[in-house]
Amino acid sequence: RKEVEQDPGPFNVPEGATVAFNCTYSNSASQSFFWYRQDCRKEPKLLMSVYSSGNEDGRFTAQLNRASQYISLLIRDSKLSDSATYLCVVNTNAGKSTFGDGTTLTVKP
Amino acid sequence: DVKVTQSSRYLVKRTGEKVFLECVQDMDHENMFWYRQDPGLGLRLIYFSYDVKMKEKGDIPEGYSVSREKKERFSLILESASTNQTSMYLCASRSEDREKLFFGSGTQLSVL
Repeated sequence: RKEVEQDPGPFNVPEGATVAFNCTYSNSASQSFFWYRQDCRKEPKLLMSVYSSGNEDGRFTAQLNRASQYISLLIRDSKLSDSATYLCVVNTNAGKSTFGDGTTLTVKP
Repeated sequence: DVKVTQSSRYLVKRTGEKVFLECVQDMDHENMFWYRQDPGLGLRLIYFSYDVKMKEKGDIPEGYSVSREKKERFSLILESASTNQTSMYLCASRSEDREKLFFGSGTQLSVL
């Protein structure tokens, strides 16, 4: 079983749609959680950290459920520019940063 | 802004060659990482380092070694390159508060 698993996707949605991505992790000692965005042929960049209380940044909302070892990312009012691969990342207390395989989102006009 | 620089954007090598991939960061970060990214397999951790001369194996260390002689530089070494090491290699640096990773722009290595 992979340490970090994501929805396989791809997700193809119209502009304005709401889309949600899910991610589960297996190491209960994991300490911090993130969503990264990766554009085609580019390096990953931090989209947002994920906090236990949930957090929001504009159209993006991230949530963490430690009991179920699950994190999510919600994108509201999708824009064409949101098309990318979204990567779930988990940091363990051993210092590792482990990535999920990513979920590809395509927003269509 | 943090800058993570990888020495080459594209590299072509022959099977059996020794290959060095260099990575330099300018923010005095303790932690540095080497990943490879392949279609359908995501980013997989090869090695990481939390201090000078310290290294830890990641999930796929076989066929690779690393060197961290100076804090700002983390090198990935392919002792004898093989065709299954053709991949995109990404170096990253991480701040002490164990928060965000900063990536270099990647090296696309082709082993022929």
